[in-house]
Amino acid sequence: SYNLTQPPSLSVSPGQSASITCSGSKLGDKFVSWYQQRPGQSPVLVVYQDTKRPSGIPERFSGSNSGNTATLTISGTQALDEADYYCQAWDSSIHVVFGGGTRLTVL
Amino acid sequence: QLQLQESGPGLVKPSETLSLTCSVSGDSISTSSYYWAWIRQPPGKGLEWIGFMYSSESFYYNPSLESRVTISVDTSKNQFSLKVKSVTVADTAVYYCARCGRHNFGDFYPFWGQGTLVTVSS
Repeated sequence: SYNLTQPPSLSVSPGQSASITCSGSKLGDKFVSWYQQRPGQSPVLVVYQDTKRPSGIPERFSGSNSGNTATLTISGTQALDEADYYCQAWDSSIHVVFGGGTRLTVL
Repeated sequence: QLQLQESGPGLVKPSETLSLTCSVSGDSISTSSYYWAWIRQPPGKGLEWIGFMYSSESFYYNPSLESRVTISVDTSKNQFSLKVKSVTVADTAVYYCARCGRHNFGDFYPFWGQGTLVTVSS
């Protein structure tokens, strides 16, 4: 089975950049999406197809994917960005796989 | 505007079958060429893809759950359903239905239901 690995937690100060990594074998060959989930809420898509942002998602959210690692970067992190973040990979063989999630703390 | 709503029993006994339905408004399951998915999240844990269907005819499942899971569709009601048989406490989770964001590919999910908590307990 295919596995995606994320750091369990990350802390960042307000205004700094936060980079959340997602690692998997040949991940750069697959499409990666990122979701933000606040407590008690459904996940919200913040990046899709490696680098694209859905409408309504702030420009401070950006993504990259190459080799074995995809990265979600939040520039100028704000208190409201504090949440759990999940990467998700897709291709026609693995279908859908989620990473274990990263809890982002802004302090 | 697309809306998805999960429904079903909130409590299921061990060894029984969990049954949930996702009601869809704002799109037609029978005519759309999107992937429609079930995803779950145990309390305090991460997201797990259960499976999805495409064009009401093709069904794909997480290999770790495939022997116990069935997704089906009722086009007359614009609903799709999930059954998980022989449940254990490990199947306790919030269950979400979701729709993919582009035709013919199952790569990203902008549309989610609010989720429904199913507890497995005697």
